[in-house]
Parts: sequence; structure tokens; C-alpha cells
Amino acid sequence: KAGVTQTPRYLIKTRGQQVTLSCSPISGHRSVSWYQQTPGQGLQFLFEYFSETQRNKGNFPGRFSGRQFSNSRSEMNVSTLELGDSALYLCASSLEFSEEQYFGPGTRLTVT
Amino acid sequence: AQSVTQPDIHITVSEGASLELRCNYSYGATPYLFWYVQSPGQGLQLLLKYFSGDTLVQGIKGFEAEFKRSQSSFNLRKPSVHWSDAAEYFCAVGAGDYKLSFGAGTTVTVRA
Repeated sequence: KAGVTQTPRYLIKTRGQQVTLSCSPISGHRSVSWYQQTPGQGLQFLFEYFSETQRNKGNFPGRFSGRQFSNSRSEMNVSTLELGDSALYLCASSLEFSEEQYFGPGTRLTVT
Repeated sequence: AQSVTQPDIHITVSEGASLELRCNYSYGATPYLFWYVQSPGQGLQLLLKYFSGDTLVQGIKGFEAEFKRSQSSFNLRKPSVHWSDAAEYFCAVGAGDYKLSFGAGTTVTVRA
């Protein structure tokens, strides 16, 4: 079974721009979560989606948003990029009511 | 809210020696507990999990972990380390809200 896939793997953007990251979950997994990983703050939860609905949200500004499609694929968007948004963004998928999350390889975002 | 502490930032171990990584959590009820491993530039790979039952759990790559409720700990062990075990290890806790809280991670260096 194919794992979680994330596209693109690497991205370079300029301050003030916006960016959209994509995540395809493991087949049969309907929950998708997003995390930000930075050297200073570590791994931080962004949000989680199930059946196209956000079920939980972390403490990030409104510039960070996400959505989930009917096929369980998910996207996250960051608007008005700041230098501090440079990070590895990880997507994870899980079965419907499971805490067991499987992670993708991540998207490395660099903001200049 | 739940939280995780990994007291050791960096551990160096000789190949063939045993390894123990410490993890302490803070949560009122019995949490869902996980250990993940991350190689440089990669996503997180699930090593093992504890939900309930037997407090000693076996995982992949020869790793095991023991849940000790009285100490709020979930330490990871491996009897004999291989050079390929050099990576960063993260302990995580889930509280049934589809969000994982991670520790800061422990970097393991394996010397020949």
C-alpha cells in the first residue's frame, strides 16, 4: 500500500507571497493532519480534517488554513508568508477514529 | 493539555551497545503513546505505540518501550544498536482529539 505523499517536496517563496501544499493520504485513511516542524519550536500541530471538516486546530494565526476534499486529499495554504514560516510541513493520515498517524516525507518551505 | 518531555537532547552510543531513550508525559488520563524516528530530510516513521493492555510493547527494527503509569513514562529501548539507528527520535502523546503532542526529540549518534 502506498504511503502518504506530499507535493511539492521543496519550495522557495518570497515574503508576502502565498503557498499551497498538497497531501494524499494512505488509501482508506480519511483523517489528515498537518504539522509544522522547525528547529526552534519543534513539531507543532496545525489542524486535522476528517470528512471535509476540520475537527481540531492548533494555535496558529489565520494565515494558515486548510481544506480536505471528498477523496480525502488535503491542502494547506499559507498566505502573506513571513520568514518565520520557513519549516518542514508534515502531513499525516490515519483511520477514521484512530490516534495512530502515518507521516509523509514533508514539504520543505523556504521563505526568503 | 497534554505535554511530553524528552530529557536528553543528544545521546551517543557505541555500535552493539544498548540504548534507552527517556520520555515523560503529562496527561490526566491514560494517553495514547507513540515513538517515531526521523532520518535527516525525511518524515516520521512510527516505531511503536501503546494504547492499553500489556505495558511492554514491541515495535519495528528491534525496538521496545515500556509504559509506567506511576512514573508517567514511556521509555524506548533497543538491546543492540546498529549504525543505521542514528537518527532523531520523538515521543508523542495523543489524548483522543486527533492531535499528537511531541517531545523536543533526542538525537542519537552511533559510534563505530
